[in-house]
Amino acid sequence: DGGITQSPKYLFRKEGQNVTLSCEQNLNHDAMYWYRQDPGQGLRLIYYSQIVNDFQKGDIAEGYSVSREKKESFPLTVTSAQKNPTAFYLCASSKQGSPYEQYFGPGTRLTVT
Amino acid sequence: RKEVEQDPGPFNVPEGATVAFNCTYSNSASQSFFWYRQDCRKEPKLLMSVYSSGNEDGRFTAQLNRASQYISLLIRDSKLSDSATYLCVVKAGGTSYGKLTFGQGTILTVHP
Repeated sequence: DGGITQSPKYLFRKEGQNVTLSCEQNLNHDAMYWYRQDPGQGLRLIYYSQIVNDFQKGDIAEGYSVSREKKESFPLTVTSAQKNPTAFYLCASSKQGSPYEQYFGPGTRLTVT
Repeated sequence: RKEVEQDPGPFNVPEGATVAFNCTYSNSASQSFFWYRQDCRKEPKLLMSVYSSGNEDGRFTAQLNRASQYISLLIRDSKLSDSATYLCVVKAGGTSYGKLTFGQGTILTVHP
């Protein structure tokens, strides 16, 4: 079955540590996205990538980094520079020509203490 | 003012009821509009796009009022399985590829 996988589902880290969230898709989609969701707030775009080896900052990129070395993979690193990293992180993808029909992975809940 | 605003609810309705949600957007250049559904602690899923002429998908009807800059979603004959958070989503004109702006969501609970 095609889809998007994110791992792990829950992640706990100590403050000051970098952590990398995995996102893999086998939908053959060109574009991929990272969002974060906080309680009572809408999703906010962190980074997006239209094609391999290219990515753009979203609205809240500070403290985050990404890479897009393969079409299927778009990992997100939450660095120690991110002031409030505890959140629900969602990865999405879309096919060429339909960038607004986005398919989401199940998400990773990151807790930093 | 938020770019996309929704009444957070919660809306508590009995099975079989009709319920409507509204959403307002601030950017008059917004081009495309969508409703996504998000179940508790799960990922959002596209429910339907919203077209200028209004559109219907089974029990769900979406409408757009560009003059007043609002979008609505009407659910008829509510089912228990409709319980979820409904996200209003807008693509503003001139924004980057694929960039969507999400409202904070409206919580719906359908009870027996």
